[in-house]
Amino acid sequence: GAVVSQHPSRVICKSGTSVKIECRSLDFQATTMFWYRQFPKQSLMLMATSNEGSKATYEQGVEKDKFLINHASLTLSTLTVTSAHPEDSSFYICSARDTSRLAKNIQYFGAGTRLSVL
Amino acid sequence: GQSLEQPSEVTAVEGAIVQINCTYQTSGFYGLSWYQQHDGGAPTFLSYNALDGLEETGRFSSFLSRSDSYGYLLLQELQMKDSASYFCAVNGAAGNKLTFGGGTRVLVKP
Repeated sequence: GAVVSQHPSRVICKSGTSVKIECRSLDFQATTMFWYRQFPKQSLMLMATSNEGSKATYEQGVEKDKFLINHASLTLSTLTVTSAHPEDSSFYICSARDTSRLAKNIQYFGAGTRLSVL
Repeated sequence: GQSLEQPSEVTAVEGAIVQINCTYQTSGFYGLSWYQQHDGGAPTFLSYNALDGLEETGRFSSFLSRSDSYGYLLLQELQMKDSASYFCAVNGAAGNKLTFGGGTRVLVKP
C-alpha cells in the first residue's frame, strides 16, 4: 500500500509551548490529508481536512487557531499545536488518500504522534 | 450526522472465526472501510466495500449490504497476532472524510 510518514513519533513538551507534527506521503501525491485525534481506548476523531494550497477545513468544535494546519506541497501537511496544555495530550494521526489508485477512497495512515504536555 | 455501531469487545481462541458487525446511519455513503489497530500503533487498512457483496483478502473478508446499512468483517483462522482493535469507517459524501465506529477490541486466546 501507499506509505505515509509521520514525525515525530513521540514528543514531550512544557505547557505553553508549540509543537509541530509533520505528515508526508512518500510515494504518492496527496492533495488532501486528514488529521485525527485519538484518546486511549477510544475511536479516531477527525479534527480537520488539510487541502493543498488552500485553507484547512475544521470539524465542529476544533479550534483552528489552536491547531494550525499547513499543506504547502502535494506531499507534506503539518499540524502545529499552539500553546499546548495538558488537555492537548493525545495521540495525533494523519492520513492521506492516493487518488492515483483505482480505490481512491482508501486512506493510508501515518504511524501517529503521541503528545504529552507537562 | 453520521453514526456507526459495532460491538466493543470480542474474545475468541486461536483458529476460530470471528465476525464483527457494523451498522451505520450516514447522510452520504461511498463505501465502508475496515482498519486494524494494534495498541500504540497506527490504523492499517484491511478492506473496502463500495458495492454489495463479499470482498476476500486472505484470512480476512468483508461484506456490505447497502440496503441494510450493514457490513461485517470476518476474521478466519485466528492467530494471536490478530489481537487488536478493528474499526469500521464510512466514506461520506463530503470530501471523502472517514467517520469511524467506536472500534471492536478482539482478544485472541491460546
